[in-house]
Amino acid sequence: NAGVTQTPKFQVLKTGQSMTLQCAQDMNHEYMSWYRQDPGMGLRLIHYSVGAGITDQGEVPNGYNVSRSTTEDFPLRLLSAAPSQTSVYFCASSYGQGLNEQYFGPGTRLTVT
Amino acid sequence: AQKVTQAQTEISVVEKEDVTLDCVYETRDTTYYLFWYKQPPSGELVFLIRRNSFDEQNEISGRYSWNFQKSTSSFNFTITASQVVDSAVYFCALSEGFLNQGGSEKLVFGKGTKLTVNP
Repeated sequence: NAGVTQTPKFQVLKTGQSMTLQCAQDMNHEYMSWYRQDPGMGLRLIHYSVGAGITDQGEVPNGYNVSRSTTEDFPLRLLSAAPSQTSVYFCASSYGQGLNEQYFGPGTRLTVT
Repeated sequence: AQKVTQAQTEISVVEKEDVTLDCVYETRDTTYYLFWYKQPPSGELVFLIRRNSFDEQNEISGRYSWNFQKSTSSFNFTITASQVVDSAVYFCALSEGFLNQGGSEKLVFGKGTKLTVNP
């Protein structure tokens, strides 16, 4: 199993550009989530999904969209990038509920200039 | 709302010292789970332990041990005889309740404690 994969690993955007961060898992996990990690802030939940077709907001959802059309994929869309969205983004998945151990992807380092 | 506090921002020890990382949590739910994750300098996040709110037994895994005390809302992590490879950022996290029971199942992280173990 590849586990949780994320692409790209690095990305530089200009303010106002849009892009999609890809996340896929091959463990048939129902629960998937996106976090951002900023220095001194820990990891903060952006959006999560408890199954295909079901998504909900986390702590810091503004400026991001998600959809979950399949069990395997959970892309994160930045609608109009802002410098405040410069961060490291982690995707995670877990079996069953969010109360179980989460498996994290390797992260995407995004810089918005 | 759920909250996790890791008051120690950075800790530096010399190899073979014991070190305890503190974690204090806040929740209104009676059903919740606590976690510890490790983030080494390479950047990946590694799961260490999960403990549910109904199990206050302490746990030991090799040089790692965890002390869960509901009375003080704490879930502290001790590394015995620390090694250079233990150098990492350690995160404590809390997930509340089952969705079908009104919980959120959202995982909230503390801000992390950076541990440096010097040779």
